Amino acid sequence: AQTVTQSQPEMSVQEAETVTLSCTYDTSESDYYLFWYKQPPSRQMILVIRQEAYKQQNATENRFSVNFQKAAKSFSLKISDSQLGDAAMYFCAYTTNAGKSTFGDGTTLTVKP
Amino acid sequence: DVKVTQSSRYLVKRTGEKVFLECVQDMDHENMFWYRQDPGLGLRLIYFSYDVKMKEKGDIPEGYSVSREKKERFSLILESASTNQTSMYLCASSPGQSREKLFFGSGTQLSVL
Repeated sequence: AQTVTQSQPEMSVQEAETVTLSCTYDTSESDYYLFWYKQPPSRQMILVIRQEAYKQQNATENRFSVNFQKAAKSFSLKISDSQLGDAAMYFCAYTTNAGKSTFGDGTTLTVKP
Repeated sequence: DVKVTQSSRYLVKRTGEKVFLECVQDMDHENMFWYRQDPGLGLRLIYFSYDVKMKEKGDIPEGYSVSREKKERFSLILESASTNQTSMYLCASSPGQSREKLFFGSGTQLSVL
């Protein structure tokens, strides 16, 4: 069974600064997908970024980027130029080829003005 | 936009009651999932379904059952609610054979008294 570990229950960042959220996972599969989701206080889960394991290039989406280290089974999320609206709980998720997802415990991000 | 609708945002039930949580998606997705979310435990998969009338156990199926009689609807059933089933329940869907993102409902906060 796959496991996903987010070692930082809480993180804080100053507005306009950069923050990195860590995620590691354990799997014996070679083909899979990794996601970061954001859950604001509204509870609506929103996709932040997606990475295919077979791609070496790190995914980027505007201010969000990942550092994907397949051999180390690490998938960290970097948020640049942090904004107040980035405050939320962030979940790392591992998804199998069949579409089944396993989530980490989440990291609560606070953005200070 | 894909919409995943959960019938109740808040629900209060008594111990021993039979509880139905309903989830409907409007994008003809094959895959549907039920997760429960607890502080510090992330999202844990209860049951999932890859097609009508199909169901598979997730990581924590004890005390729950599901029903998928129509493609768009996936119901979670608590046969005899207990206080340890007080939690946030999230429904999600995704296209079949897809490793695209999950589309989430806005959650049902269930309190069992």
